[in-house]
This record gives sequence, C-alpha cells and structure tokens, in this order.
Amino acid sequence: GENVEQHPSTLSVQEGDSAVIKCTYSDSASNYFPWYKQELGKGPQLIIDIRSNVGEKKDQRIAVTLNKTAKHFSLHITETQPEDSAVYFCAASGSSNTGKLIFGQGTTLQVKP
Amino acid sequence: DGGITQSPKYLFRKEGQNVTLSCEQNLNHDAMYWYRQDPGQGLRLIYYSQIVNDFQKGDIAEGYSVSREKKESFPLTVTSAQKNPTAFYLCASSTTDANTEAFFGQGTRLTVV
Repeated sequence: GENVEQHPSTLSVQEGDSAVIKCTYSDSASNYFPWYKQELGKGPQLIIDIRSNVGEKKDQRIAVTLNKTAKHFSLHITETQPEDSAVYFCAASGSSNTGKLIFGQGTTLQVKP
Repeated sequence: DGGITQSPKYLFRKEGQNVTLSCEQNLNHDAMYWYRQDPGQGLRLIYYSQIVNDFQKGDIAEGYSVSREKKESFPLTVTSAQKNPTAFYLCASSTTDANTEAFFGQGTRLTVV
C-alpha cells in the first residue's frame, strides 16, 4: 500500500547549524508533499509544502526539495534556533485524489543553545 | 476565528467504558479525519469522511467508531473493544481537492485508568 518513510527519527544539532530531514514515498501518483511541525502537546501545523510541478521551494530559513524520479523529498532548516525544536512530519498525497495524506513516522529535532 | 476544535484536551477512561472525543470545524471543509499518535509511530489514520453521512475506515479502525451527521462535526468513539486506547488523538479537516493542506486540532490525550 501507500507508504512514506522518514529519516532520521531523532536529530540533534547546535544552534546555528543546518538540519535536514528526508522522506521517501511509494506511490508515484502522489503530487503534493506538505511538512508539518508539532510542538509538545499541540496539533501539527503546516510549515511548507511543495507540489510535483516544482523541484524546490524556500520560505526564509526553511526549504523543501523534491525528486519525483527517485520519489524522495527533503526538508532543510538553516540557521537553526532553539524554537525550531519540535517533531516534524512529512506527508504525501494519496493516490485516491481525495485530500487524504500519508504521513511519515516523524523526526524529533532538538536544537541545542 | 476559523479553525478546528477538539475537546476535551485530556480524558480519562476506565477499562471497559466507551468514550467519545469531539471534533468541530468551522472551515467549511468537506473532509475530516481522525488520527492516532503514539511515540515513534507517527500519525496513523483511524477513520475519514469526505461528505456528510459517509465515512471510510483508515488503517487502524478496529475498536473505533465515528459518525458524520453534520458537516461541522466528526466525533470519534473509542469503544471497549480497542485493546490499547491510551494515545494522543488528532482530528483534521481539509477540502477534498487533491493537493490540499490538512488543518489539525490541538488533540485529545486519552488515558485508560
């Protein structure tokens, strides 16, 4: 079935360093790839998304890249800050074209001051 | 304010009891979803609904039930048949377009005592 794999499960970086989280997906029909940030005890919030007609998208310190041939996409956070510490989820649209998303397992990012 | 509201934030249940988690949205979204979140397992889909009076099982529907009598509301009942109900439950909504953001509630933490 449809599957999204996310790595690493935990990531610890020093403040100011970059962080990269990678995801692969199984369904070649997927064409929408959002990234969510979840702070402790809260619901996930969208931070950036990318559609299959582009290969890269940036929003200040956050960027996402997409390689449709290889079926993988990545989140890049530059100049990390302690408030970036959270759980990050990638997702891919399901093949049923209904708005349903398939989520990765999540990455716990810790930014050390 | 437009958004999606889950209640209660914390819920305690005795073994053998059914309990219902509330989810309400005023975003005029057709689709609503229930996810279960356990440490290290990401978001797993329990049930989803794309239209009033219709819903489909997700990946882990056993021991759960839902209803969709109104567009704004998608309550989840955790029944006594659910063997391990202690978890963080997240409700989300979206349009039914293929490339669409899902908006999440703040979650309900259910603990079986």
